Amino acid sequence: AQSVTQLDSHVSVSEGTPVLLRCNYSSSYSPSLFWYVQHPNKGLQLLLKYTSAATLVKGINGFEAEFKKSETSFHLTKPSAHMSDAAEYFCVVSVYEANAGGTSYGKLTFGQGTILTVHP
Amino acid sequence: EPEVTQTPSHQVTQMGQEVILRCVPISNHLYFYWYRQILGQKVEFLVSFYNNEISEKSEIFDDQFSVERPDGSNFTLKIRSTKLEDSAMYFCASSRSGIQETQYFGPGTRLLVL
Repeated sequence: AQSVTQLDSHVSVSEGTPVLLRCNYSSSYSPSLFWYVQHPNKGLQLLLKYTSAATLVKGINGFEAEFKKSETSFHLTKPSAHMSDAAEYFCVVSVYEANAGGTSYGKLTFGQGTILTVHP
Repeated sequence: EPEVTQTPSHQVTQMGQEVILRCVPISNHLYFYWYRQILGQKVEFLVSFYNNEISEKSEIFDDQFSVERPDGSNFTLKIRSTKLEDSAMYFCASSRSGIQETQYFGPGTRLLVL
């Protein structure tokens, strides 16, 4: 089974300061990991994804995340926050596995979300 | 840029009524999904659909729920005899394949069961 824990439900930063959103995962198999962002009244938008290539993944809008297998972490960072970054962020894991219960075709398992607030 | 669309954006229904939530996935995608998010809780997987059949479903997806691709563009989620606890945001998603592919999400349908 796979699971995701986002360690902070709320993060508040000042504009221009770094952003760190923490995520730990649990997976029996090699995972694919994603960060999605949701702005108010909008759908879930992909920020970046890790699928067993480079461990440092760059995404849109200056965000990046590093896959650390030894720490089972996939933290999201950005060097300098912008007001438009204020949103809810979801860390997501997906595993393709064939097991006694059938084959998983990549269902996504979400963390509980982190609300990022950016102050002027 | 192609996107997933969902209708309606909001739906209010009475307990026991049937509702159909509609989605138009991205046109060249082959895998389709429904997720839901009850207020204050995590986004949860409901079901995945490929080649006109369910490929995987969660424990939540019981006989009350069904999915269908009635034509070449729509993907629907039907909830029979709605319950109060079905109130949630329902998200549709699609992907080109089912393995390690990005799932693209629609804006969601907020369902309120009274």
